[in-house]
Amino acid sequence: GENVEQHPSTLSVQEGDSAVIKCTYSDSASNYFPWYKQELGKGPQLIIDIRSNVGEKKDQRIAVTLNKTAKHFSLHITETQPEDSAVYFCAAEHYNTDKLIFGTGTRLQVFP
Amino acid sequence: DTEVTQTPKHLVMGMTNKKSLKCEQHMGHRAMYWYKQKAKKPPELMFVYSYEKLSINESVPSRFSPECPNSSLLNLHLHALQPEDSALYLCASSQGEGTGAQETQYFGPGTRLLVL
Repeated sequence: GENVEQHPSTLSVQEGDSAVIKCTYSDSASNYFPWYKQELGKGPQLIIDIRSNVGEKKDQRIAVTLNKTAKHFSLHITETQPEDSAVYFCAAEHYNTDKLIFGTGTRLQVFP
Repeated sequence: DTEVTQTPKHLVMGMTNKKSLKCEQHMGHRAMYWYKQKAKKPPELMFVYSYEKLSINESVPSRFSPECPNSSLLNLHLHALQPEDSALYLCASSQGEGTGAQETQYFGPGTRLLVL
């Protein structure tokens, strides 16, 4: 089955710096890759997603890139703010299921 | 509105109790999900309902019993739980256009369960 690895497990940046979180997946039949942000005491909230027919997607300060050949995808956050501090999960979904397989999570801390 | 609501927010129960978790969405979604999340871990899928029918059961112990009374509601009935079942239980929903439709799953805030 699908396996998703996520790095780093923790990331500390200064406000205004960029943050990059990387994920690799094992099943080449996965074709949907969402990113979720989970704040303390809350459920995961979708922040951006990408499908396998696209190499890059951007939404204001957030961007995601996908390399299907290497089977990895990355989240880029620019001009980080303290409110970006949270746990971020990547996920992958096989083209023929409704199952999201999550990465292990990255705790991002943005210091003022 | 992309809101999924869950009740209760917190639940403490003994190992002999029977309780239920409830989830509701009014987005017209036809797929609903239960996930279990342990501390500092990612969510793990338990069950998927599609058009009120159970479509995926990830080999969850029978002490967890899901129910989908209608397209807006999802319940998780709990009976004879163990302390290791203590976790955050998350509900999610998606449009339900069909398997492999690559749909966004919208999560509720979760119910934090403690089994004593």
